[in-house]
Parts: sequence; C-alpha cells; structure tokens
Amino acid sequence: DQQVKQNSPSLSVQEGRISILNCDYTNSMFDYFLWYKKYPAEGPTFLISISSIKDKNEDGRFTVFLNKSAKHLSLHIVPSQPGDSAVYFCAASGFNAGNNRKLIWGLGTSLAVNP
Amino acid sequence: GAGVSQSPSNKVTEKGKDVELRCDPISGHTALYWYRQRLGQGLEFLIYFQGNSAPDKSGLPSDRFSAERTGESVSTLTIQRTQQEDSAVYLCASSLRDHQPQHFGDGTRLSIL
Repeated sequence: DQQVKQNSPSLSVQEGRISILNCDYTNSMFDYFLWYKKYPAEGPTFLISISSIKDKNEDGRFTVFLNKSAKHLSLHIVPSQPGDSAVYFCAASGFNAGNNRKLIWGLGTSLAVNP
Repeated sequence: GAGVSQSPSNKVTEKGKDVELRCDPISGHTALYWYRQRLGQGLEFLIYFQGNSAPDKSGLPSDRFSAERTGESVSTLTIQRTQQEDSAVYLCASSLRDHQPQHFGDGTRLSIL
C-alpha cells in the first residue's frame, strides 16, 4: 500500500531546461511535504518543503507546487544543471491512527541532466 | 563534524551473527530516526526516538531488531541472528525537533553472506 507514489522511476532532461518531478499521495491527513535529493553512497539531503496551507514554495532554482484537491505535488528545477543529477525522494508527513507523526517516503525518481 | 555520523560505513558478516550499527546525530537534535533501504527500494522507516524514548517502534521488522539511544546523543541499532534479507543500507537521520526536516548520515551498508 504505497501512500506516496513517484510514478516515474527515471527522468532525463537537457542542461538548462526545466525538470519536473511528480509525486502523488493517497492520505488526506498528510499536512507537510518534503523533497530530498540523494547522491550515490550518500544519505538523502533535504531540499525543500511545503506545508498543506500553501500551494507553492520557491527556493532559488527549486519550486514545489502542491495541489491538495488532486493530492499531487511536483518539484520544478529550472534551469537544470548536470550537478542536479541524483535520485529525488518525495516524502509526506502526517499523524497516523496512533497519533504518531509519520514520514512516508516515495520510491524516488532518478534524474539525469545531460550537458 | 557538524553532520550525522554513522559507523561503520560498511559491514560484511555471516548469517546468524549479531551486528551493531552506530549513529551520532547532530548535536542538539532531539529527534533521531532509523531507516532501511534495500536495493531498488525506497526508504523504510524502522524506529523514531524523541530524546532517549522511542514513541514509535512500529517499523522494526522483527524482534531481532532493537535500538537504544543515550540521552539525546548516540544511538545504536542492533540486529541479532542476522539473515540475508537484512542486507540493506541502514540510514540514520536527526532533526532539531519532530516535524522538522531530517538530516541524514551516509548510512551503513550491511551485507549478510
């Protein structure tokens, strides 16, 4: 039962163009969403987050959009750079039935930015 | 260092042996998390500490897995009688408080022969 889905396992874009990574979730109790980037042999690194009270958050080249009615969020990277090549994980946070806050992770999308 | 530190970085052991993995969180971070990532899979939550108590152990896959944390510092994850399916990268993360972005270590790659 995958509550956070990243349906594209991989994505390839040209340097300078926009990269759009998508994430869908099923649980309407999620109220906080995060994107992490992971290079090989390293732990994930926090990139950007968004609260459910917002629909957009921007940080430099990175923008996250949240569509609550569609239970969909996306990460836009523009312009894409070769150093952005990594696996990107979407994660969603909310309280479970036991009143514990849980962070549920997607399986990741591998982004390749070609020079 | 300023980041989350995990040791060892790699561990190869025989099936049936016990292993202990260590995590040093960022100083001052009250929340600590253990995850597992098997090959080709996403991050699988194991356990969460707030201070030295573990309010959420729901992700531990079996009673062979246990974890402790000393105060708001070091944590150890112990796997007893290891099985081949325990082979994975074990990641530790810490955050200033719950519901804050987590900072990850580089993980321990565990291989069970």
